[in-house]
Amino acid sequence: SQKIEQNSEALNIQEGKTATLTCNYTNYSPAYLQWYRQDPGRGPVFLLLIRENEKEKRKERLKVTFDTTLKQSLFHITASQPADSATYLCALTGANNLFFGTGTRLTVIP
Amino acid sequence: ETGVTQTPRHLVMGMTNKKSLKCEQHLGHNAMYWYKQSAKKPLELMFVYNFKEQTENNSVPSRFSPECPNSSHLFLHLHTLQPEDSALYLCASSQDQGTSGSPETQYFGPGTRLLVL
Repeated sequence: SQKIEQNSEALNIQEGKTATLTCNYTNYSPAYLQWYRQDPGRGPVFLLLIRENEKEKRKERLKVTFDTTLKQSLFHITASQPADSATYLCALTGANNLFFGTGTRLTVIP
Repeated sequence: ETGVTQTPRHLVMGMTNKKSLKCEQHLGHNAMYWYKQSAKKPLELMFVYNFKEQTENNSVPSRFSPECPNSSHLFLHLHTLQPEDSALYLCASSQDQGTSGSPETQYFGPGTRLLVL
């Protein structure tokens, strides 16, 4: 079965810096990879989807890369703000469902 | 507001109680999901319904019993739970159940925080 690892449980960065979160997976490469944001006491919210034939995807201050050779996706938040503080989850498409990582809790320090 | 609501938001129950969690989606989606989220563990898929039919049961103990009367409503009936069942239970929906070749974005409710004493 697919194993998904997100590099660290928690990440602290200074406001204005770029946050980089890592998602590594074992086994087969999924055709699609998604990133979600989860705030305390709330359900995850979809942010971005990237296809295996796309190297990079951008949305405002967010950028996602997908390297099927390294079996890795990177999630970047540029010009980070305290409001970006949340847990970020990567999710891979499996046979018929999504499989989620444990998430990285990002704290942006003012 | 994601268009998916869950009630109750918090629930405390004893091991001999019977309770139900409710989920409702206002998005016109055909697929609905139950997940369990425990601390420091990834979301665990429990059940999937597509067009009211159960398509996935991820080896969930029988003390959890799902019910999907229509495409907009999903219930999780709880009976004789154990303390290790304490977790955040999340409901989600998507337009259709995704496949490896056709992913579906899932829309989550706020969850029910369950504590089993």
